[in-house]
Amino acid sequence: DVKVTQSSRYLVKRTGEKVFLECVQDMDHENMFWYRQDPGLGLRLIYFSYDVKMKEKGDIPEGYSVSREKKERFSLILESASTNQTSMYLCASSLLGLTRGYEQYFGPGTRLTVT
Amino acid sequence: ELKVEQNPLFLSMQEGKNYTIYCNYSTTSDRLYWYRQDPGKSLESLFVLLSNGAVKQEGRLMASLDTKARLSTLHITAAVHDLSATYFCAVDMYGSARQLTFGSGTQLTVLP
Repeated sequence: DVKVTQSSRYLVKRTGEKVFLECVQDMDHENMFWYRQDPGLGLRLIYFSYDVKMKEKGDIPEGYSVSREKKERFSLILESASTNQTSMYLCASSLLGLTRGYEQYFGPGTRLTVT
Repeated sequence: ELKVEQNPLFLSMQEGKNYTIYCNYSTTSDRLYWYRQDPGKSLESLFVLLSNGAVKQEGRLMASLDTKARLSTLHITAAVHDLSATYFCAVDMYGSARQLTFGSGTQLTVLP
């Protein structure tokens, strides 16, 4: 089974702090994604990566950056956390499979509160 | 820009009844995915539909794909309380990482 893990389930940070959210997958997937999920707004793509050291902006990259130094690890960085970044953050990974297409496998999520 | 629309957004149904959730998308694609999310939890993959006419079934849920109509349906048969969750459909976007575009989700509540 594919396993995607995220460094924290719950995180509380103060405004202005630098925040690191880490995601690790164990199935050698090429593609990795960071989403945020807010009530009424669905899933919004922040950044994604299709290879080591490669990154592309999603729909809402402002205020975030990412790092992918190793294939299995994709980090989301909040350079200076703000209260409007309080959200559920979901990491996912994918690989083209003959029977599964580009199905994404999700981590358990990190609920971040910025005070 | 690919748009994915689900309806209804909220669905409250009695146990034992049948219902269908619809997922429409705006551009050509032949890959569609259904996910389930329980409150406070992450997304869990339910079905992967990879061609026109594909049909998948698991327990009381059946998903189908009509690529010509750009429509997928998730049919619920004889609903039970355990099916209460939010269901998302997602469509494959052609791009560097084949990212998925998600619908807004359908929040299903099955009442006793």
